[in-house]
Amino acid sequence: EAGVAQSPRYKIIEKRQSVAFWCNPISGHATLYWYQQILGQGPKLLIQFQNNGVVDDSQLPKDRFSAERLKGVDSTLKIQPAKLEDSAVYLCASSLVGTASTDTQYFGPGTRLTVL
Amino acid sequence: QKEVEQNSGPLSVPEGAIASLNCTYSDRGSQSFFWYRQYSGKSPELIMFIYSNGDKEDGRFTAQLNKASQYVSLLIRDSQPSDSATYLCAVVRGGSTLGRLYFGRGTQLTVWP
Repeated sequence: EAGVAQSPRYKIIEKRQSVAFWCNPISGHATLYWYQQILGQGPKLLIQFQNNGVVDDSQLPKDRFSAERLKGVDSTLKIQPAKLEDSAVYLCASSLVGTASTDTQYFGPGTRLTVL
Repeated sequence: QKEVEQNSGPLSVPEGAIASLNCTYSDRGSQSFFWYRQYSGKSPELIMFIYSNGDKEDGRFTAQLNKASQYVSLLIRDSQPSDSATYLCAVVRGGSTLGRLYFGRGTQLTVWP
């Protein structure tokens, strides 16, 4: 079974530029998550999709971040414009159901973003 | 108060010893508790989860949960150098955030030969 795929793996941009990340979840997984992990910290949820609907985006800085999950499969996370503090690893995860308290989330390899 | 708190470490143990990793959480309504391992530069991978009070064993790993004390721990028996990683504790709360994981900042473990 293929895991969660993400691209690109690394990205370096200058502040005020825009950037987009792509995620393909495990086949059949209804729920998709985007996390931000700053160095030395645990992952922080940015947005959670159930199929193609948003379940939780309370931690997403909506003035600069946007995300979509078209057709309930792939997802794109965009930052525009980027700030220095956006430097982090962006992790995509998926789970089968997302509404069960024991549902396991599987993480992709992440995209390491550096904003100069 | 943070949702999930862990000692950042580093925790250093010799090969073959028992490593004990601890985690406390603030929400009494929390339903399930996950331990993830994260090697440097890699993504988190699930070790195990627990949702009932008591112990749950999986190979060399034992998770312990005490909901009254809002405390969860992970014991690693016969620690190996390959266990050297950051261990993340994550909690699922109930209610509208069902399924959402709240992570601690992780405890860095080093197992020396």
